[in-house]
Amino acid sequence: RKEVEQDPGPFNVPEGATVAFNCTYSNSASQSFFWYRQDCRKEPKLLMSVYSSGNEDGRFTAQLNRASQYISLLIRDSKLSDSATYLCAGDTGRRALTFGSGTRLQVQP
Amino acid sequence: SAVISQKPSRDICQRGTSLTIQCQVDSQVTMMFWYRQQPGQSLTLIATANQGSEATYESGFVIDKFPISRPNLTFSTLTVSNMSPEDSSIYLCSVFIQGLREKLFFGSGTQLSVL
Repeated sequence: RKEVEQDPGPFNVPEGATVAFNCTYSNSASQSFFWYRQDCRKEPKLLMSVYSSGNEDGRFTAQLNRASQYISLLIRDSKLSDSATYLCAGDTGRRALTFGSGTRLQVQP
Repeated sequence: SAVISQKPSRDICQRGTSLTIQCQVDSQVTMMFWYRQQPGQSLTLIATANQGSEATYESGFVIDKFPISRPNLTFSTLTVSNMSPEDSSIYLCSVFIQGLREKLFFGSGTQLSVL
C-alpha cells in the first residue's frame, strides 16, 4: 500500500464549480501535511499547509482528518488557471515529504 | 521561502554517460533533498544531502549510481551515473525551510532524457 494515495482523476469541471480532492495516508505518525500544485513540466509549488483546525486561503480550503487519516482540498469558484495537478504530501519524520501521485484538474470554459 | 537555482534545466544524454546536476540556494539551509519524478509519476525521494558527510539514500537508490555532494549549506550536486533510458526523468532538488510553518520548496528541476 502506498503511503499517500490520491485519485489520479482527471477531474473535469466547468468554470465556477466547486471541486474537492481527497488524499489518504497510511503513516499515522505523520504530523505535517501539504498540498502542492504542479503545472505541466514545472516543479511543484507549495499551495498550502494542512492543519487539523482547517486552513483557508481565498478560494482554497484544506482539512485534515486524523481519525480517518485523510486530507482534503476544496477549491471554490474554479478558474481556468486552476487547471493543474494537485499533489498531497505528508512528512516522513525526517523533514522530507512523501508525495501522492497527484490529482489532475481540468477547468473548462 | 528560498530561491533555488538548478542547472542544467534539461539535457539529452547518451547511454552509459554521466550527468551532474547542480543546486544552489540563496541562503543557508540545513536540510536539502533530491527527488526524482518519472514520466506520469509522482515524486520519489532519492536521498538526503548531508553537509560534510555522506548522503542518506532511500531504499532502491545507491551511492554508486547517484553520488551526491554537499560541500556547504548552500550547494549540492547529484550525479546520475552510467545512465540508461530508465533514468529519463525530472530530477528536483528541494530544501526544507524552518520557521513558524516549516515548508519544503523545490528547484525548477532538470529534465533528463537518455537515449
